[in-house]
Amino acid sequence: GIQVEQSPPDLILQEGANSTLRCNFSDSVNNLQWFHQNPWGQLINLFYIPSGTKQNGRLSATTVATERYSLLYISSSQTTDSGVYFCAVPPQGGSEKLVFGKGTKLTVNP
Amino acid sequence: ETGVTQTPRHLVMGMTNKKSLKCEQHLGHNAMYWYKQSAKKPLELMFVYNFKEQTENNSVPSRFSPECPNSSHLFLHLHTLQPEDSALYLCASSRGEAESPLHFGNGTRLTVT
Repeated sequence: GIQVEQSPPDLILQEGANSTLRCNFSDSVNNLQWFHQNPWGQLINLFYIPSGTKQNGRLSATTVATERYSLLYISSSQTTDSGVYFCAVPPQGGSEKLVFGKGTKLTVNP
Repeated sequence: ETGVTQTPRHLVMGMTNKKSLKCEQHLGHNAMYWYKQSAKKPLELMFVYNFKEQTENNSVPSRFSPECPNSSHLFLHLHTLQPEDSALYLCASSRGEAESPLHFGNGTRLTVT
């Protein structure tokens, strides 16, 4: 099945710093989603981004489908950005199911 | 407030108990999902329902029994669980198409004693 690898596994930042999280996947996909799981377990859908670039406030994401990776950018990080960031892709083309990476745990210190 | 509501938020049960987790979505979606999140493991898909029909059972033990009476409600019935079943159980919904975003509930933190 498709493999999803995220890096780095852990990241510690000072408030105000910028960061880039990476998601590599082993097969072509038509669906890629980024999620943020806060310390209380709530998973929020950040982006649906099978290709191209999207921005939402301080967050933006870019997926280069031909090279099988996606990047999540966090600018001017805040303590509320702490949590785990997951990317997810379908196991094979055309499926509504998603396979999740192991996540990047982000800690933003004040 | 999330469009996907899960109850209860926390549940402690013994191995001989029977309990049920409930999920309700208010987004008009057609597909609903149960995921399991254990410590230090990726989220694992358990079940998928699309238009109330089960389309995926990801080799889940029979002590977990899903029920989807309509497109807005999803249950997970639990019986004779094991301590290793302790985890965060997450419900999600989507339009059910291949390119549709997934929306999660807050999860139920289950502890089996």
